[in-house]
Amino acid sequence: SQTIHQWPATLVQPVGSPLSLECTVEGTSNPNLYWYRQAAGRGLQLLFYSVGIGQISSEVPQNLSASRPQDRQFILSSKKLLLSDSGFYLCAWSPDRAYEQYFGPGTRLTVT
Amino acid sequence: QKEVEQDPGPLSVPEGAIVSLNCTYSNSAFQYFMWYRQYSRKGPELLMYTYSSGNKEDGRFTAQVDKSSKYISLFIRDSQPSDSATYLCAMSDGNQFYFGTGTSLTVIP
Repeated sequence: SQTIHQWPATLVQPVGSPLSLECTVEGTSNPNLYWYRQAAGRGLQLLFYSVGIGQISSEVPQNLSASRPQDRQFILSSKKLLLSDSGFYLCAWSPDRAYEQYFGPGTRLTVT
Repeated sequence: QKEVEQDPGPLSVPEGAIVSLNCTYSNSAFQYFMWYRQYSRKGPELLMYTYSSGNKEDGRFTAQVDKSSKYISLFIRDSQPSDSATYLCAMSDGNQFYFGTGTSLTVIP
């Protein structure tokens, strides 16, 4: 069966510091991968998606970037965090863009 | 107009009640419909999915899709306190996913 991992689970970072969140998927190959941010009461905002190694599409221009160095690894980064980057970050995978997505446990980021 | 509309609630029901959660949509190209359950401070968990109009049942849960009305529902029978969570609908046109904002449900023992 497939499993998706995210770490860290929680993170408190000062404004201006860098960020690296990691997501890995087990039990499948060539998954579609997604990064979402979920703000309280505002639903899921798609940040990036990837259909393959090195292939990243950005949905929203912002202070964040994503990379996919390996087939089942997806990384979300920032060089300098802003207060507005605080939120709950979710990684998800799907076997195909058309079909259901499966979410990881999430990372709660607080920028102080 | 948003692609997917979902009443945020909150919805509070007594244990054992039948719960009805709903979403409406505007894009007739949507073909895949999903419901997720999200417990507080956890990632969303896929609860049910369907690719056609009609009903799909799984235990106490029934997903219903009415494409003619652009309306989907999730019914929970014999609701339990463990069903207390936020429920998100999701839809896909085969290329992009769209999520509702979620309905917060509390089942009171």
